[in-house]
Amino acid sequence: QQQVKQSPQSLIVQKGGISIINCAYENTAFDYFPWYQQFPGKGPALLIAIRPDVSEKKEGRFTISFNKSAKQFSLHIMDSQPGDSATYFCAASNLGDDKIIFGKGTRLHILP
Amino acid sequence: KAGVTQTPRYLIKTRGQQVTLSCSPISGHRSVSWYQQTPGQGLQFLFEYFSETQRNKGNFPGRFSGRQFSNSRSEMNVSTLELGDSALYLCASSLLERRTDTQYFGPGTRLTVL
Repeated sequence: QQQVKQSPQSLIVQKGGISIINCAYENTAFDYFPWYQQFPGKGPALLIAIRPDVSEKKEGRFTISFNKSAKQFSLHIMDSQPGDSATYFCAASNLGDDKIIFGKGTRLHILP
Repeated sequence: KAGVTQTPRYLIKTRGQQVTLSCSPISGHRSVSWYQQTPGQGLQFLFEYFSETQRNKGNFPGRFSGRQFSNSRSEMNVSTLELGDSALYLCASSLLERRTDTQYFGPGTRLTVL
């Protein structure tokens, strides 16, 4: 199965709160899980990525949590700011065959 | 260093026509990938080129084609346009050939098919 299911479709969070976006995959051959951030009128930009040999990766206010047994991974944005308002995409890929599958995206809005 | 540039930014075509989109990668990058982005399907991989060779292709009909030139610039062509081809077409470049390397996306070309 090649799908990556992302939820929620949209999310509203108060400034200073924690934003959580979840993704689930089916193909156990996936071995690279990036998150992309996209602002209106711009292309996606790589935010943070994780490989399945670690359960968590943190970069500033952004953290990826990875659960290999459940085939799920999530993005946590701590102390969410209005500038974080954007669409976020998770993705999964397999180094072996170079395919990459994206989730459908989550539109995040941080209330000031 | 200049980012990925795509031209044109906006395009309006009618059904049955063909269209060519252009992408200039970041200087020194040799891999260029193309994606289609729609509200319903999200981001879908079209194809990747590395050193003028197509390395991978997504599940799109043969009406979608591309090529890469010796200077790494890439073009994407869609023939016999259909209404469903209306989308944002994104180009991404990376230094190495594998698409799991950090990709840098351009702003996209918004194609509207009437």
